[in-house]
Amino acid sequence: IAGITQAPTSQILAAGRRMTLRCTQDMRHNAMYWYRQDLGLGLRLIHYSNTAGTTGKGEVPDGYSVSRANTDDFPLTLASAVPSQTSVYFCASSATSGGAGADTQYFGPGTRLTVL
Amino acid sequence: GQNIDQPTEMTATEGAIVQINCTYQTSGFNGLFWYQQHAGEAPTFLSYNVLDGLEEKGRFSSFLSRSKGYSYLLLKELQMKDSASYLCAPMDSNYQLIWGAGTKLIIKP
Repeated sequence: IAGITQAPTSQILAAGRRMTLRCTQDMRHNAMYWYRQDLGLGLRLIHYSNTAGTTGKGEVPDGYSVSRANTDDFPLTLASAVPSQTSVYFCASSATSGGAGADTQYFGPGTRLTVL
Repeated sequence: GQNIDQPTEMTATEGAIVQINCTYQTSGFNGLFWYQQHAGEAPTFLSYNVLDGLEEKGRFSSFLSRSKGYSYLLLKELQMKDSASYLCAPMDSNYQLIWGAGTKLIIKP
């Protein structure tokens, strides 16, 4: 693996179902992020993690949860999907974040999720 | 509040020069990023400015004026492959990126 991978590539999901989007990076980056991107809107931060074992809420966290058990993986879970969660989801990582200074974020290929 | 303003769409001719402007208002400032995003793909990093002035990187240059809350991305010698969306993203006092909706650039032969 080189960089960030996401799975699945795309998914159609019935409303009310539980879904976990997977994200794995092999760059040993400390910080990881989940964004959603909707047509006509900028990327919106859902949750982030500055380092393994810690997570934080972004701009639009409701209906989503994350965990960061190790450096490489940062799964995003939709406990009970709703149609408004139809979007493209991008995972990103950066070497550092916060007080360590600004750092470039690198993005995975995205997951296209449709909730019916 | 925090706000990013970019043109929604621009059209330019292959071989020409185009300037994409971005104005921003953020709570604190820790630099500004430009990303390129081709349709159906992930954003990819283009440039980062934290001090006022022009940063040149090949055919692409980025300018920042912190006092004016203004940045632009300059693309020279346009190629068809430059057709993409260009995302302006300043970083606020919490080191979070604030994303604009992006400027869709259409290159015509």
